[in-house]
Amino acid sequence: DQQVKQNSPSLSVQEGRISILNCDYTNSMFDYFLWYKKYPAEGPTFLISISSIKDKNEDGRFTVFLNKSAKHLSLHIVPSQPGDSAVYFCAARTSGNTPLVFGKGTRLSVIA
Amino acid sequence: DTGVSQDPRHKITKRGQNVTFRCDPISEHNRLYWYRQTLGQGPEFLTYFQNEAQLEKSRLLSDRFSAERPKGSFSTLEIQRTEQGDSAMYLCASSPHGQGVYGYTFGSGTRLTVV
Repeated sequence: DQQVKQNSPSLSVQEGRISILNCDYTNSMFDYFLWYKKYPAEGPTFLISISSIKDKNEDGRFTVFLNKSAKHLSLHIVPSQPGDSAVYFCAARTSGNTPLVFGKGTRLSVIA
Repeated sequence: DTGVSQDPRHKITKRGQNVTFRCDPISEHNRLYWYRQTLGQGPEFLTYFQNEAQLEKSRLLSDRFSAERPKGSFSTLEIQRTEQGDSAMYLCASSPHGQGVYGYTFGSGTRLTVV
């Protein structure tokens, strides 16, 4: 049973435009949601997170939106840059410091 | 501190052989996690330690897999009698206790190929 789902395996966006990556989850006990970015031959690196008491968190070009009633979150990247091309993983955990559960990832390609 | 280090970066082994991977976490992090990632999948949780205590093991961790973290510092993951299905990227991560919203710091992984 996949608790964190990223239904789009890939996304292609033009440089300067907005990238929107989506994530759905099934476990209503999840309290923290994180986005990780992964380049080839490297481990995932933390990008941005949001706790369930918020509906939006912004950090520079990156904004994460959380819709708890829909069990849905999204990552917006504005403006997109070629260096943003990577695989993006959505992850979630409960408040009990349980291990992170990851989605399958979305490969973002930003075209110059 | 240079982050989370994993050794080796790549390992090719013959089916049936044993392999051992090492992970050195960030020194002040008392939690250490092992994940496995196969092609087209996200990282899948295997096991984690708080200091030297192994607190949770996934059902993915068959009895051929064993992990240790002696003295709460580095950790090793051993796979006995490797199978082709064990081919994957093995990721180690660490975090401070009470990780809040900052998640984990991952190493670059060990890519295992079983031939």
